[in-house]
Amino acid sequence: EVQLVESGGGLVKPGGSLRLSCAASGFTFSNYGMNWVRQAPGKGLEWVSSISSGSSYIYYADSVKGRFTISRDNAKNSLYLQMNSLRAEDTAVYYCVRDYENFDLWGRGTLVPVSS
Amino acid sequence: DVVMTQSPLSLPVTLGQPASISCRSSQSLVYSDGNTYLNWFQQRPGQSPRRLIYKVSNRDSGVPDRFSGSGSGTDFTLKISRVEAEDVGVYYCMQATHWPYSFGQGTKLEIK
Repeated sequence: EVQLVESGGGLVKPGGSLRLSCAASGFTFSNYGMNWVRQAPGKGLEWVSSISSGSSYIYYADSVKGRFTISRDNAKNSLYLQMNSLRAEDTAVYYCVRDYENFDLWGRGTLVPVSS
Repeated sequence: DVVMTQSPLSLPVTLGQPASISCRSSQSLVYSDGNTYLNWFQQRPGQSPRRLIYKVSNRDSGVPDRFSGSGSGTDFTLKISRVEAEDVGVYYCMQATHWPYSFGQGTKLEIK
């Protein structure tokens, strides 16, 4: 089955760090660019970061630039998001999204509450 | 940055009636390769988003043909020819022509 499964979410204090993972299966992961998109509780969708298939191209939203780092391990079919200096406004469900003709496959998301 | 503006933000529709959502971008979404990377997503209550339409008018596999996308440049529309109960949810447009990518605010479709 073609799917993306996020993990690593959980309660973290402001200023803390967290590393999200996304396990891909059912397709050739190394052929696709990948993305992270987040959704704050009751709010809309916000693009966070993108990485090309070979990690040559990486982009970030201004809201996370300098604090978040996207990476991937094609040998492990995995995507990552290292989140540092977390703020209350980073509280959201984080989705892993495949990029075939733009955002064709979404995971179920992992919740990251940032609170003291 | 490209701002995506959807209207309406709330859309009450009677079952079996048509529905239309507008999405306008603050800049042209035509990319240098000639493609227009404007996409539509549906998010049903409690679910992850699901792509319905890519590159303005291409329907994803498994998406009912009552959904259609149209438009060009900065003005785009998602139409549902006859709304069904399963169409309840929030609809988002999204541009992937310019960095940073951006989504519209979302349009909440409900049954009247």
